[in-house]
Formats: sequence, structure tokens, C-alpha cells
Amino acid sequence: ELKVEQNPLFLSMQEGKNYTIYCNYSTTSDRLYWYRQDPGKSLESLFVLLSNGAVKQEGRLMASLDTKARLSTLHITAAVHDLSATYFCAVRNTGTASKLTFGTGTRLQVTL
Amino acid sequence: GAVVSQHPSWVICKSGTSVKIECRSLDFQATTMFWYRQFPKQSLMLMATSNEGSKATYEQGVEKDKFLINHASLTLSTLTVTSAHPEDSSFYICSARYAGGPAYNEQFFGPGTRLTVL
Repeated sequence: ELKVEQNPLFLSMQEGKNYTIYCNYSTTSDRLYWYRQDPGKSLESLFVLLSNGAVKQEGRLMASLDTKARLSTLHITAAVHDLSATYFCAVRNTGTASKLTFGTGTRLQVTL
Repeated sequence: GAVVSQHPSWVICKSGTSVKIECRSLDFQATTMFWYRQFPKQSLMLMATSNEGSKATYEQGVEKDKFLINHASLTLSTLTVTSAHPEDSSFYICSARYAGGPAYNEQFFGPGTRLTVL
């Protein structure tokens, strides 16, 4: 059974600081996703990572994937208040129906 | 492109009643749709996989007789919560799998439906 763990679960950081969220998964997969969720809203797709060593960047967020270590990171550079949200990674199960298994989520709070 | 809608966006019902939630892919065909449930401050948990024209596949621990899923067309799946109880109160999110084109096999998420059972 595929398990996906994120840490930290909660992150409070000051504006301007850098930090990294980690996503570990237990079995091989061909695709890893990062999503953002604002309170009361659905998911907003941030990144999809397809292969070992993949790195994608959008604004202050950068995601990377190490398939050998079964680890993905979401790095936040010079955080701003607008980045406050919950971030989820999700790993696609290889095989049946392309199901996604979500991580526990990381609630990010950026303080002024 | 690849827009998924849900209706209603929120619903309040009395305990014991049934509630139907619709999930539509607006600009693409989706042979597979997924239903998730999210309790406050928790992650998304997959409830079931809905395939057009066939029976849904439920995840372990999800009561198929309580959560009825129908996927009658390539653009519509419905989730009916039967005899709802307060513990069914949750945020229900659907996704539709894009079956063709550059976004092949990707899931696109609906805006969610907040269900409150009194």
C-alpha cells in the first residue's frame, strides 16, 4: 500500500525567510504532484514532476523530485503572506486507474 | 480548458435525508472520475473511482450502499449520500481524469461541495 508522508505538518514562518517542505512516499511511482489549498476551497495544481531529478519553479516556489530516495521537496524562497495556505503532495499509484494518494498536508502560515 | 464543476457548492440537510452531488467535466470527456472526502484540517481521502458505464470501485472502509455513485455519461458522475448523518458532514471533492491530448491521464479537480448534516 502506497503511503505518503509530509513534514512538517505545520509551518509558521516570517516573510522573507526560506523553507522546505518534504514529501516521502513508500513505493515507486511515475508521477508526483504538488497542490495548494486555501481555506474552504478545492485544490490548485502547482507542479507535476515526472522523472528523477525533475525540478520545476514558479515564482517563489520550487519543487524537485528524487525517485531513488522517494522524496520530493517544495522549497519556498523569500516567503510572502500570500503563500499562506495548505500544501499537499500527491503520488500517483502505478497501475489501476491512476489513483492518487495524498500526503498529510503542510499548513503554511507566513507572518508579516 | 479541463474545467470540472460541482453542484451544489454547499448543502445543509437534516439527518436521515439523502443528498445528491453532481460532478461535471465541462469541456472534456472523462471516462473516469474520482470522489474524495476531506474532513476539517485533514487530507483528501479517496472514496471511490467512478467509471463511465460500469460500477464504481470503492476504497476499503467506504460503504457502497451509503455512498451511491453513478457515472451515466462521459461528462457526469453523481454521488448520493443516503440517509445522511452528522458524521457524514465533510467537504466532498471530485476529480475527472482527462482521457486524451497533452494532459493525458491527468486529474482535474472540482471546486468541492460542503455538506453539513444537522
